[in-house]
Amino acid sequence: DAGVIQSPRHEVTEMGQEVTLRCKPISGHNSLFWYRQTMMRGLELLIYFNNNVPIDDSGMPEDRFSAKMPNASFSTLKIQPSEPRDSAVYFCASSLSAPNTGELFFGEGSRLTVL
Amino acid sequence: GNSVTQMEGPVTLSEEAFLTINCTYTATGYPSLFWYVQYPGEGLQLLLKATKADDKGSNKGFEATYRKETTSFHLEKGSVQVSDSAVYFCALSVGGSNYKLTFGKGTLLTVNP
Repeated sequence: DAGVIQSPRHEVTEMGQEVTLRCKPISGHNSLFWYRQTMMRGLELLIYFNNNVPIDDSGMPEDRFSAKMPNASFSTLKIQPSEPRDSAVYFCASSLSAPNTGELFFGEGSRLTVL
Repeated sequence: GNSVTQMEGPVTLSEEAFLTINCTYTATGYPSLFWYVQYPGEGLQLLLKATKADDKGSNKGFEATYRKETTSFHLEKGSVQVSDSAVYFCALSVGGSNYKLTFGKGTLLTVNP
């Protein structure tokens, strides 16, 4: 079975450019998460969707970040304009919300470098 | 608030050595506790979990016991292998926000042959 699929795996861009990261969750999962991983701050939850609806976006750093989930099989995380401090690995994860076991299934991540 | 504190790494061991990675937590309410593992170049995957006090989670030779009295969930393995080299994350979730995992900062384990 396919796991969580993220693209691109690596992105190098210049400051000020728009970046779009994509995620396809596991079929049948109804919860989707975007995390950011950096050496300094570890893993941070950016946003959580349940049944395609954003439930908690309190971790989104600022207005430059936005996330959408137009259907159950696709989500995007957009950064516009990008800044060097956005350089990180961005993970998408999905799960079944009920019954909640706390088990998230992570993609392989998108490594973003903003120059 | 909720938080997880892990022993800082990196940890370097020889094959067949005993492993302990300490994890303590602070939580409002009664948390479920987890260990996730991240192999090089991959995403995190659940290693084991425990949902109530005195539960022991186990998988792939790893074990951790939920100790409410010491608010701890230490990860142990009796004999590590080179293939266990990875970053290990302790995490918790609590009650009504069960979707929201709070992760520790991770501990890098390197096992040498």
